Amino acid sequence: EIVLTQSPGTLSLSPGERATLSCRASQSVSGNFLAWYQQKPGQAPKLLIYGVSTRATGIPDRFSGSGSATDFTLTISRVEPEDFAVYYCQPYDNSPLTFGGGTKVEIK
Amino acid sequence: EVQLVQSGAEVKKPGESLKISCGASGFSFTTYWIAWVRQMPGKGLEWMGIIYLGDSDTKYSPSFQGQVTISADKSTGTAYLQWGSLKASDTAMYFCARQRGSRHYLDYWGQGTLVTVSS
Repeated sequence: EIVLTQSPGTLSLSPGERATLSCRASQSVSGNFLAWYQQKPGQAPKLLIYGVSTRATGIPDRFSGSGSATDFTLTISRVEPEDFAVYYCQPYDNSPLTFGGGTKVEIK
Repeated sequence: EVQLVQSGAEVKKPGESLKISCGASGFSFTTYWIAWVRQMPGKGLEWMGIIYLGDSDTKYSPSFQGQVTISADKSTGTAYLQWGSLKASDTAMYFCARQRGSRHYLDYWGQGTLVTVSS
């Protein structure tokens, strides 16, 4: 079973700063089948990115995804107050699905 | 509009049974599956399994096989997650989510059902 390592565990930033979140897989993810989700406290997760770099409907363009094989990155170009949340990566090239442990983006 | 509406919070005792629901609307039941995802307090997301509303074909994560039962009623567009005998370790938030297949991302999510198991 694939193991996902997200880093850092917590990212402390001020609004307007750039956020770079990493997701590393223990084996290659085929077909660019990797998604990112955002979860705010007390809310359900929300799909942000699929296919490594395609933004889901309604997701602002300050969010971008990149990477291939075992190394993937979610970038928030300028963090807005509403972006403080936990972010999870998820490859979906195999079943059962697994999620990374998450990166918390908090206000500095 | 795609909607997944889950049943309300539950408080149960160890050993009791429970069935929670997820009502789907706004999309074709012959195209999508419904997944269940567990989130234990303060922890990350765990995919439990998936059911096809069209014919109730079900796939489980090995970690949850035999621990829960996933079922569905196509006529009402409702998916269910049930336990025969709850344990304290089943205390968690449970989300349902729409998935096109077992190897696909989760594009719409229900609001979650909090299950608390305590004596």
